[in-house]
Amino acid sequence: DGGITQSPKYLFRKEGQNVTLSCEQNLNHDAMYWYRQDPGQGLRLIYYSQIVNDFQKGDIAEGYSVSREKKESFPLTVTSAQKNPTAFYLCASSSLVEGSGKTTDTQYFGPGTRLTVL
Amino acid sequence: GENVEQHPSTLSVQEGDSAVIKCTYSDSASNYFPWYKQELGKRPQLIIDIRSNVGEKKDQRIAVTLNKTAKHFSLHITETQPEDSAVYFCAASRAWGTAGGGADGLTFGKGTHLIIQP
Repeated sequence: DGGITQSPKYLFRKEGQNVTLSCEQNLNHDAMYWYRQDPGQGLRLIYYSQIVNDFQKGDIAEGYSVSREKKESFPLTVTSAQKNPTAFYLCASSSLVEGSGKTTDTQYFGPGTRLTVL
Repeated sequence: GENVEQHPSTLSVQEGDSAVIKCTYSDSASNYFPWYKQELGKRPQLIIDIRSNVGEKKDQRIAVTLNKTAKHFSLHITETQPEDSAVYFCAASRAWGTAGGGADGLTFGKGTHLIIQP
């Protein structure tokens, strides 16, 4: 877990503004994910990426965009098109294949960014 | 897509008693089932996971059982302690390397708030 960082911890945004949330990992993990968590709810998948320069939409991608230019980084942009952006945003990563050749699906989460729209 | 239902939403048990949380899933192709523990304001932490080729897995006071036919899996915590108080999430996905799958992200249940009464 310590190898995944998210910044900032708290973010305030005015309506109509785009904001970018940072996610960095130094675990050499292949796959990275963005989830959104609302109060009293489970996590919902926004976008994920299994390899550099490639990413796929999750269940709630509308109003969000991502890029994966480097293996270590997977920033999420919350655009003005996202109608209810106030939420706790969690980034995760997984290695997919261990050094021994065994597959692994364990996802490790970053500390999260709490976004509030004013 | 996958749908995961989790029950109960709140569970209160006496310290030292056992707690059981149950989840059902809809996609018969799902074959990886992790459980996460989340304390207030913090990131989810993996506590145990199971794959569909195994019916039960145990780690000290925590165990998970899986019934593929009925498409449900359960978390069992024995000898509960105050530090077990948290929100627990179940999740499901197709494991990396599975036909049609490949680290597509987790589908989470809505969580169970476990309260350990002293």
